[in-house]
Amino acid sequence: DGGITQSPKYLFRKEGQNVTLSCEQNLNHDAMYWYRQDPGQGLRLIYYSQIVNDFQKGDIAEGYSVSREKKESFPLTVTSAQKNPTAFYLCASSTPRAGVSIGELFFGEGSRLTVL
Amino acid sequence: DQQVKQNSPSLSVQEGRISILNCDYTNSMFDYFLWYKKYPAEGPTFLISISSIKDKNEDGRFTVFLNKSAKHLSLHIVPSQPGDSAVYFCAASGDYKLSFGAGTTVTVRA
Repeated sequence: DGGITQSPKYLFRKEGQNVTLSCEQNLNHDAMYWYRQDPGQGLRLIYYSQIVNDFQKGDIAEGYSVSREKKESFPLTVTSAQKNPTAFYLCASSTPRAGVSIGELFFGEGSRLTVL
Repeated sequence: DQQVKQNSPSLSVQEGRISILNCDYTNSMFDYFLWYKKYPAEGPTFLISISSIKDKNEDGRFTVFLNKSAKHLSLHIVPSQPGDSAVYFCAASGDYKLSFGAGTTVTVRA
């Protein structure tokens, strides 16, 4: 089955540690995205990548880093510089839709990060 | 500055009645609008969408209306069912990314 796989589903981290969240897709989509969900704030865009070896900052990129070395993979690193990293993280991918800048996003199941 | 707003954080509706969810946006360059449904601890799933050149799109029990002059869209669910209880996000497409509202939690009462 085609889809997006995020791992781990749950992750605990001590303050001051970096942690990397994995996102893999087998949908052959060019574009991939990372969102963060906090209660009452909806989904906020962290980083996105429209093509391999290229990515752009979203609305809340500070304290995060990404890489896009392969089409199917878009890992997110939450660094110690991120002041409030406890959240639910969602990875998504999309394929171009005729006539619009971006069509439907397909989401993974999410990863919940808790900083102790 | 949030460009997509869902001003009602929650909605309670009786089973069989209509659910109406509202969404406002500020960016006139948005060209495509989507609604997503989300259960706790899961990723959002796509529900229905509408292009900026249309004013209505219908798919089974779900209908989305777009009023471009008012920068407003709404989602109608008729009839509401218990399985519709979830968080619903409005999203708008522009500049190769989606902007999301804060979500509306829908509770369908038996």
